[in-house]
Amino acid sequence: EVLLVESGGGLVKPGGSLRLSCAASGFTFSSYSMKWVRQAPGKGLEWVSSTSPSSSYIYYADSVKGRFTISRDNAQNSLYLQMNSLRAEDTAVYYCARIDHGGNSDFWGQGTLVSVSS
Amino acid sequence: DIQMTQSPSSLSASVGDRVTITCRASQGISNYLAWFQQKSGKAPKSLIYAASTLQSGVPSKFSGSGSGTDFTLTINNLQPEDFATYYCQQYNSYPFTFGGGTKVEIK
Repeated sequence: EVLLVESGGGLVKPGGSLRLSCAASGFTFSSYSMKWVRQAPGKGLEWVSSTSPSSSYIYYADSVKGRFTISRDNAQNSLYLQMNSLRAEDTAVYYCARIDHGGNSDFWGQGTLVSVSS
Repeated sequence: DIQMTQSPSSLSASVGDRVTITCRASQGISNYLAWFQQKSGKAPKSLIYAASTLQSGVPSKFSGSGSGTDFTLTINNLQPEDFATYYCQQYNSYPFTFGGGTKVEIK
């Protein structure tokens, strides 16, 4: 069974940093691209960042470019999102998702809430 | 960036109804279009990918069609468990973009 479990969310002050983790199991993690998607309270879904299986290709939304860094540890079956210079508008539930070989996001984690407030 | 426009933003329907949701891309995306269902407080769930291919385990009451710029999601015989918000997403090119969502409510 494919399982993705996010952790690391919490309350942080504007300008602060947070590192999210996504623990993967039930599939060969090193063979799949992965992505982060977020959802602000009461709003729609927003793609944040994606990484290819070996991290050769990495992409970011303009809204987080230069502040967020996606990374992965294939030996640990884990995906990360380092978030720096956090702003109030970064407040959201952050989901990690697997990208299948056709490009679709077929499995999602349950999400972790990040709140940026003073 | 490719803009995805979903309509309607919300609709009210009765149990047993057939509903159709549309998604329009600002430029051609071939068939790189996915549909997701999200229930309140839950993670999105993949329903359809490649515009018309049903994700494993998803009932055949859900169907998708379209190619290029215009796509539809159809739900037949609406049941209480189908009341949720539905999103389209293009994965033709980065940045991947989602539609604004369609909330399906009980009439």
